[in-house]
Amino acid sequence: DGGITQSPKYLFRKEGQNVTLSCEQNLNHDAMYWYRQDPGQGLRLIYYSQIVNDFQKGDIAEGYSVSREKKESFPLTVTSAQKNPTAFYLCASRWADTQYFGPGTRLTVL
Amino acid sequence: GESVGLHLPTLSVQEGDNSIINCAYSNSASDYFIWYKQESGKGPQFIIDIRSNMDKRQGQRVTVLLNKTVKHLSLQIAATQPGDSAVYFCAETISGGYNKLIFGAGTRLAVHP
Repeated sequence: DGGITQSPKYLFRKEGQNVTLSCEQNLNHDAMYWYRQDPGQGLRLIYYSQIVNDFQKGDIAEGYSVSREKKESFPLTVTSAQKNPTAFYLCASRWADTQYFGPGTRLTVL
Repeated sequence: GESVGLHLPTLSVQEGDNSIINCAYSNSASDYFIWYKQESGKGPQFIIDIRSNMDKRQGQRVTVLLNKTVKHLSLQIAATQPGDSAVYFCAETISGGYNKLIFGAGTRLAVHP
């Protein structure tokens, strides 16, 4: 986990609602990432940001949005357009070529 | 806790034995590889890495072997302990650029006393 924090640990959402997941790091890393993990699968990339005020779509960006206004923070919004949002969400930051992960947020849609 | 992988291949070992976890990677252009350990309900934890100009790298109780000819990685854990029980993922990337990680599906390691 290191200097990467994610909140909340558990999040419940009603269908049709947008929710925002927090990711903060105090490692002074430039690059940050959001992944989604489903049971029996590896991690899939949602969005990434190489530097403040810049971000790019990953493999499964539909229904998600991000912002990168500060180096330390990379929040992820799961919108109502995401058809199957129940999953474990992981944030990472990168030093050199290595990505380090936060503890994750478990999102459940009721 | 959360289910990291309900249908993952499982390696069962006795405490004190050596464990070998295997991984086939997909991209022959990948030049950097990482092994992560993920305990239930937690984020992946970095274990060890290796670059494509090496065949072997050792850490504390862990060794990673890379065979580029057949695109194969292995993670060896010496004297496996109950605390080693987790899901292990290999990940590959091309260094530089945005370092997109491609993850394997994972292997569950179950250590029995």
